[in-house]
Amino acid sequence: KAGVTQTPRYLIKTRGQQVTLSCSPISGHRSVSWYQQTPGQGLQFLFEYFSETQRNKGNFPGRFSGRQFSNSRSEMNVSTLELGDSALYLCASSLARVGGGVDQQFFGPGTRLTVL
Amino acid sequence: AQSVTQPDIHITVSEGASLELRCNYSYGATPYLFWYVQSPGQGLQLLLKYFSGDTLVQGIKGFEAEFKRSQSSFNLRKPSVHWSDAAEYFCAVGASDGGATNKLIFGTGTLLAVQP
Repeated sequence: KAGVTQTPRYLIKTRGQQVTLSCSPISGHRSVSWYQQTPGQGLQFLFEYFSETQRNKGNFPGRFSGRQFSNSRSEMNVSTLELGDSALYLCASSLARVGGGVDQQFFGPGTRLTVL
Repeated sequence: AQSVTQPDIHITVSEGASLELRCNYSYGATPYLFWYVQSPGQGLQLLLKYFSGDTLVQGIKGFEAEFKRSQSSFNLRKPSVHWSDAAEYFCAVGASDGGATNKLIFGTGTLLAVQP
């Protein structure tokens, strides 16, 4: 099976612009989560999508948004970019549990976003 | 609130020596615990996970971890380190409140250097 793919791998934007990142999960996986990784804050959960619905959300401003399509592919969008948004954005996919609990997640290689 | 502490920011070991990376968590219920490894410029690779059952879990690449509820710890061990083990290691707890979620809370990571 192919792993989680993220596009683009690298991106350079300027302050005030917006950006869209894409994530294709492993075939059959229905849950997609997004994380931001920075040297100062570490790995932080952004949000999770399952069956095209946001199931969980981290503590990020409304400039960060996402969506999931019927084929489970997901996009995240950051509007009005700030310098502090420079980070590695990681996507993870998993089979979705029907009941409670946490699934094993498989991470993609990430998108390195640089905001100038 | 759930949290994960990795007390050691940076560890250096000699090749062939044993390794133990510490992880302490704060979580009210039985936690879902994970160890991930990240090589430079790469995404996260799952080493092992603990959901329930036997408190000593085996993972890939010769790693193991032991869940100790009384100490709220989930330390990662390897009996003999190889130069290729040099990477950053992250401990994570699954933040389930009983419902289904894939939100992970990560520790700050431990950077492992291996001396020849």
